Amino acid sequence: GQQLNQSPQSMFIQEGEDVSMNCTSSSIFNTWLWYKQDPGEGPVLLIALYKAGELTSNGRLTAQFGITRKDSFLNISASIPSDVGIYFCAGQLPAGNNRKLIWGLGTSLAVNP
Amino acid sequence: KAGVTQTPRYLIKTRGQQVTLSCSPISGHRSVSWYQQTPGQGLQFLFEYFSETQRNKGNFPGRFSGRQFSNSRSEMNVSTLELGDSALYLCASSPGRLYLDTQYFGPGTRLTVL
Repeated sequence: GQQLNQSPQSMFIQEGEDVSMNCTSSSIFNTWLWYKQDPGEGPVLLIALYKAGELTSNGRLTAQFGITRKDSFLNISASIPSDVGIYFCAGQLPAGNNRKLIWGLGTSLAVNP
Repeated sequence: KAGVTQTPRYLIKTRGQQVTLSCSPISGHRSVSWYQQTPGQGLQFLFEYFSETQRNKGNFPGRFSGRQFSNSRSEMNVSTLELGDSALYLCASSPGRLYLDTQYFGPGTRLTVL
């Protein structure tokens, strides 16, 4: 099926460092979503972006909807141990392409205390 | 509000068997979507049900089917299990009225096929 190109695949950082990850696609999206998944749980929505160029923050998390509508990035500032998990991007194609989300393969984040 | 619940949490089956997974959405949510999650393929969309009707479908074989009941609870069935069906099956619920509602995921059912 369709997928987004999400990078990096994994990251191992020191507590306190900033983190950046991104998703790109050859398709244009109307909406970008960022989710986090903890072990043994389902993904939890972190940030939703609805307009090209939109920059939205949620605590230490900041995400942007790319101007071309083909990419998005997520930044985490001053990482802490509980940031550990897998981060997924998901995009929704414009109307007429049905409602389903297209998902990236995830960025696995490990934080060294 | 109670979150999305999925039962069972873990399941072990053998090839050729069939399995039924259950999902109870958040109260008031009418849309239920099912996903298959594997390490190599990420989250793959199976299907979405809204008001007891399949509204959307992914690219899975006919062995994968689902249904939704009048109380919005949904079941997913996989017949003639194959080894490659081993995965985490996630259910997500949303109100379902808007083009894109926020999807709330359950904890998943871990299916292992031996």
